Amino acid sequence: QVQLVESGGGVVQPGGSLRLSCVTSGFSLAKFNMHWVRQAPGKGLEWVAMIEDDGRALWYADSVKGRFTISKDRSRNTLFLQISSLRSEDTAVYYCAKDGRGYQFDYWGQGALVTVSS
Amino acid sequence: QSALTQPASVSGSPGQSITISCTGTSSDVGNYNLVSWYQQHPGKAPKLMIYEGNKRPSGVSNRFSGSKSANTASVTISGLQAEDEAHYYCCSYVNGGTWVFGGGTKLTVL
Repeated sequence: QVQLVESGGGVVQPGGSLRLSCVTSGFSLAKFNMHWVRQAPGKGLEWVAMIEDDGRALWYADSVKGRFTISKDRSRNTLFLQISSLRSEDTAVYYCAKDGRGYQFDYWGQGALVTVSS
Repeated sequence: QSALTQPASVSGSPGQSITISCTGTSSDVGNYNLVSWYQQHPGKAPKLMIYEGNKRPSGVSNRFSGSKSANTASVTISGLQAEDEAHYYCCSYVNGGTWVFGGGTKLTVL
């Protein structure tokens, strides 16, 4: 069965960096687009980034463009999100999500909390 | 890209039907039949309930149905049950390889 497990969250100072990981199983990263979606405390969902199945095309929300980088390692079945130049408004639970080929997010991880605080 | 517009809250009694609306623009909801809906219980990850406007993933109750008219998508939950109490989010693909979510609607089962 499909499973997504995030890790790498934590407390980081403003301006700092962090790398989130999402270990996947039950499907091939080479065959599906993958996404990161975040949720600030008590707030709604915000789409953050997508990497296409072949890894060639990367897409970002305007709010993170130039600061976040999505990537994947197919040999390790792992999706990554490198987040840098962190701001307080980046504090959120970050979810990795599998694309269901119909432009929807059909499987989600449990989330990784990133707290930006001095 | 502005968030899609959803009512902050809706409520209904067990057995009743409710509808949650999701209003976008001709660049997102109105331009594609690619709206999806997610249910989120407190402290849990979102769960896909509806995709491509009106399709249900395997395992999702047929009490959930989706529709769209112009720039507004909707999800209807019939035969409300206590377990349906949660937050619901709509989401639409947007031209240019990006997605936008609605602000979320809290459903209370009275």
